Amino acid sequence: AQRVTQPEKLLSVFKGAPVELKCNYSYSGSPELFWYVQYSRQRLQLLLRHISRESIKGFTADLNKGETSFHLKKPFAQEEDSAMYYCALISGNTGKLIFGQGTTLQVKP
Amino acid sequence: NAGVTQTPKFQVLKTGQSMTLQCAQDMNHNSMYWYRQDPGMGLRLIYYSASEGTTDKGEVPNGYNVSRLNKREFSLRLESAAPSQTSVYFCASSGFIGYEQYFGPGTRLTVT
Repeated sequence: AQRVTQPEKLLSVFKGAPVELKCNYSYSGSPELFWYVQYSRQRLQLLLRHISRESIKGFTADLNKGETSFHLKKPFAQEEDSAMYYCALISGNTGKLIFGQGTTLQVKP
Repeated sequence: NAGVTQTPKFQVLKTGQSMTLQCAQDMNHNSMYWYRQDPGMGLRLIYYSASEGTTDKGEVPNGYNVSRLNKREFSLRLESAAPSQTSVYFCASSGFIGYEQYFGPGTRLTVT
């Protein structure tokens, strides 16, 4: 079964600390993975996708096929990073997005 | 460009009432989606429309119906609302199935 798991409901760090939001997936084949972010009172928006291998707002994510993970990392958290983060993968069969449960990142001053 | 718009923003219904959530996009996208967002459950796909004239069930379609009115508009209907349908509903669109999805602002629905 295709599944995305985000084991942490809440991650709380201090400003300037490193951040790692965990994402594990279950998928047979080569997955296409994404991170979406939802800031308070804003709509969900794409943060980054593994295909582009880019860094957005200081965040990076590397696909680890051996560990079936796609963890989101940032070396120095900022207060404006506080938001809900969703990991998602595209089902190759249907093209539909499958979301994880989401992790709330709280960056304290 | 407004992107993806949804109406209404908030709605309170009594059990058994019906209502339609409206969604429109101005990006000339072919595919549109309806999700519900519940605490601890992430976003779950209710229905989607790969292209104008087609609709398909997602993960949690029971209790809902959809209409792809034209390329721009995709509505979600609750025929007989139940408290279990209390949720935040998001509409999204993408160029094609499998492409990046763009989300609307959401509709917060409470069923009492």
